[in-house]
Amino acid sequence: DAGITQSPRYKITETGRQVTLMCHQTWSHSYMFWYRQDLGHGLRLIYYSAAADITDKGEVPDGYVVSRSKTENFPLTLESATRSQTSVYFCASSVDNEQFFGPGTRLTVL
Amino acid sequence: RKEVEQDPGPFNVPEGATVAFNCTYSNSASQSFFWYRQDCRKEPKLLMSVYSSGNEDGRFTAQLNRASQYISLLIRDSKLSDSATYLCAVNLGALTFGSGTRLQVQP
Repeated sequence: DAGITQSPRYKITETGRQVTLMCHQTWSHSYMFWYRQDLGHGLRLIYYSAAADITDKGEVPDGYVVSRSKTENFPLTLESATRSQTSVYFCASSVDNEQFFGPGTRLTVL
Repeated sequence: RKEVEQDPGPFNVPEGATVAFNCTYSNSASQSFFWYRQDCRKEPKLLMSVYSSGNEDGRFTAQLNRASQYISLLIRDSKLSDSATYLCAVNLGALTFGSGTRLQVQP
């Protein structure tokens, strides 16, 4: 009965490194989302996916890559991390337009 | 102008008080509306959907005013445990969130 999980929960990395944040849901929801949350900006959509192998850009996609080879997984990759990507990242899945969030990953880029 | 705007607060109210938050949205084609609650350093959790006719869930009442393009959340008989940040969300293809309104209920 895990619902939606994210890993790691905390990550510290250095500028220029590649980082992948994992998201897994057990509900078989079609839609999945990645958000970042920063003080003063609220939740901003990075990428979303309507189904396996279908992804689309959100409000702030630059510097991020996603894939969705299986319905239950939606990893987010920072190809070359920058300090401005220090944030809390939330994954979500939805059914009937209601979104359910994972516990978040707190990422620090030094 | 932001697509979804909220007063950041904080709203400091005593236990038992009634408090109301508004959230304005800019796109009149928005289809569905939600209120989420977010506790410090935790994920947002769906509090309630907002229907055209308004809806109530215990001490919480949500209203939609399409003409003026805002949604509201009313909390009656505030409890200490209601202290949190309340986010509104508007769906136009994908959910767009407001920055949240912080509520602090004081004993």
